[in-house]
Amino acid sequence: GQQLNQSPQSMFIQEGEDVSMNCTSSSIFNTWLWYKQDPGEGPVLLIALYKAGELTSNGRLTAQFGITRKDSFLNISASIPSDVGIYFCAGRYNDYKLSFGAGTTVTVRA
Amino acid sequence: EADIYQTPRYLVIGTGKKITLECSQTMGHDKMYWYQQDPGMELHLIHYSYGVNSTEKGDLSSESTVSRIRTEHFPLTLESARPSHTSQYLCASSPRQGPGELFFGEGSRLTVL
Repeated sequence: GQQLNQSPQSMFIQEGEDVSMNCTSSSIFNTWLWYKQDPGEGPVLLIALYKAGELTSNGRLTAQFGITRKDSFLNISASIPSDVGIYFCAGRYNDYKLSFGAGTTVTVRA
Repeated sequence: EADIYQTPRYLVIGTGKKITLECSQTMGHDKMYWYQQDPGMELHLIHYSYGVNSTEKGDLSSESTVSRIRTEHFPLTLESARPSHTSQYLCASSPRQGPGELFFGEGSRLTVL
């Protein structure tokens, strides 16, 4: 698969904060996807991006497909406790395959 | 909404046992996948299928095997489990047409003692 670099690896959030994470690669992708995974569950699709430059929102989530097609970011606005989990970016590079980033673990700050 | 089911959700077995992880989807999707995920790590593709009687190896080498005799069913088998096979196995599917969004099952967590 193609290498995706996702950052940060982990972050602590306080309720109400805006948080941001991103994914970069040296390879070009034709689709970017953002998934969230709760403990013991499979990943659930949050946002899908299909065109370079595209900016898409899903509730408090906003994601963008980078102009170079080599990067994407995800923003969460006004975070709430249920936002905790692991967020994965994924890039589609052919008809059948996705490459996944290593994930960003979001935890509530005590 | 995606309907893809994996069983068992959790399995603890001894070394040398044969195991089969089941995956079924009710969406009529042509493409199905198996990913392996260690705790806190990324997903690695180990097998995929783009239709009945087609199976391919993924990017991560795996000693497991798969079969696709029916569209809705994509089981994964380990003939002789070893502790190194301990991991979470995630099944996914996607339709033939469309942008390639994957719909995941809840996963099967395998522990080999």
